[in-house]
Amino acid sequence: TQLLEQSPQFLSIQEGENLTVYCNSSSVFSSLQWYRQEPGEGPVLLVTVVTGGEVKKLKRLTFQFGDARKDSSLHITAAQTGDTGLYLCAGGYHPGGGADGLTFGKGTHLIIQP
Amino acid sequence: DAGVTQSPTHLIKTRGQQVTLRCSPISGHKSVSWYQQVLGQGPQFIFQYYEKEERGRGNFPDRFSARQFPNYSSELNVNALLLGDSALYLCASSTHGNTIYFGEGSWLTVV
Repeated sequence: TQLLEQSPQFLSIQEGENLTVYCNSSSVFSSLQWYRQEPGEGPVLLVTVVTGGEVKKLKRLTFQFGDARKDSSLHITAAQTGDTGLYLCAGGYHPGGGADGLTFGKGTHLIIQP
Repeated sequence: DAGVTQSPTHLIKTRGQQVTLRCSPISGHKSVSWYQQVLGQGPQFIFQYYEKEERGRGNFPDRFSARQFPNYSSELNVNALLLGDSALYLCASSTHGNTIYFGEGSWLTVV
């Protein structure tokens, strides 16, 4: 059973369009992190959210943590070709991952076409 | 400041062999974790070390072991390699906070 479900698994849109990626779980996390990963490279941290209902903005990216700290969303406004990549959400039960580590979803493969 | 550094970046091993992967955390980070990422999946937690002690272990067989040194660097060892061990092995470091940073990974191919 996948503890963190990401949707959609694959998304291909045109440059300039908006999109939202979802990360859902039945578990409550103390923190949730979003990463972007390029082929053959390690995940690069985009944001960490820790408070239920928290919204964080990173330029054209908006991240939201659900009130119950079980789900999160990533919204990209006016997507650019440079946004192409694998987007991973990861939940932590303890600060810094702790003894249980981070629980990752399978990721959303995003392709932005010119 | 340097990020999390891992070595080697790529390696090929034969079934039954043993492999050692190395990781240096971000300066000042005392916690190191290891993850395995097979193609098409998200990373899976293998170990967490803090202050040279194992603090957590994921659902991996005893063929997987690790250690952390006084300078907080770490090694991951895998014995009796299987074809299914082929994956990207990621090291991550963190402080007491919530933020975890990953290295570029070590690509292991078992043939």
